[in-house]
Amino acid sequence: QQQVRQSPQSLTVWEGETAILNCSYEDSTFDYFPWYHQFPGESPALLIAIRPVSNKKEDGRFTIFFNKREKKFSLHIADSQPGDSATYFCAATNNNNAPRFGAGTKLSVKP
Amino acid sequence: GPKVLQIPSHQIIDMGQMVTLNCDPVSNHLYFYWYKQILGQQMEFLVNFYNGKVMEKSKLFKDQFSVERPDGSYFTLKIQPTALEDSAVYFCASSFRDQAPLFGEGTRLSVL
Repeated sequence: QQQVRQSPQSLTVWEGETAILNCSYEDSTFDYFPWYHQFPGESPALLIAIRPVSNKKEDGRFTIFFNKREKKFSLHIADSQPGDSATYFCAATNNNNAPRFGAGTKLSVKP
Repeated sequence: GPKVLQIPSHQIIDMGQMVTLNCDPVSNHLYFYWYKQILGQQMEFLVNFYNGKVMEKSKLFKDQFSVERPDGSYFTLKIQPTALEDSAVYFCASSFRDQAPLFGEGTRLSVL
């Protein structure tokens, strides 16, 4: 059972555009939702995370939008830069379970 | 900043042999994890470990897999015997309570 679904599988945007990456989850007990990015040959690195006490979390160009009712959350990358090109993973977790990851979105930002 | 160290970075072994992957988690972290990743694809959860015990494991954590952290030393993942499908990058991660795990650089395991 896929506990965390992520889309699209790949995304190409032009430099300066906003990239939107989407995730949904099934387990309503999940209460912490981190996003990681991973460059080829490297390990995943935490980018930003949200708890459902709020429906929005912003950090610079990166914003998470969270919809608890629909069990969906998304990562918006504003003013995308070629250096943002990487694979992005969403995850979901709670106190009792290790983070479960989505399948990843490979983002390409074209100059 | 704090780092999770993994040793070795690459391991090549013959099918059927035993392999031990070593992880040195962040010193004050309490939760430890192993994930498996094939060819940059999905991070697949294997097991998490807390207070000297396996807390949770997935279906991928086969009977041939075991984890331990004897006396606060390395957190290890042992595979005995290995199979061809065990070839992957294995990431160790650690976290303090209620925080996103910090990942190590991974060990690339090649089973021939």
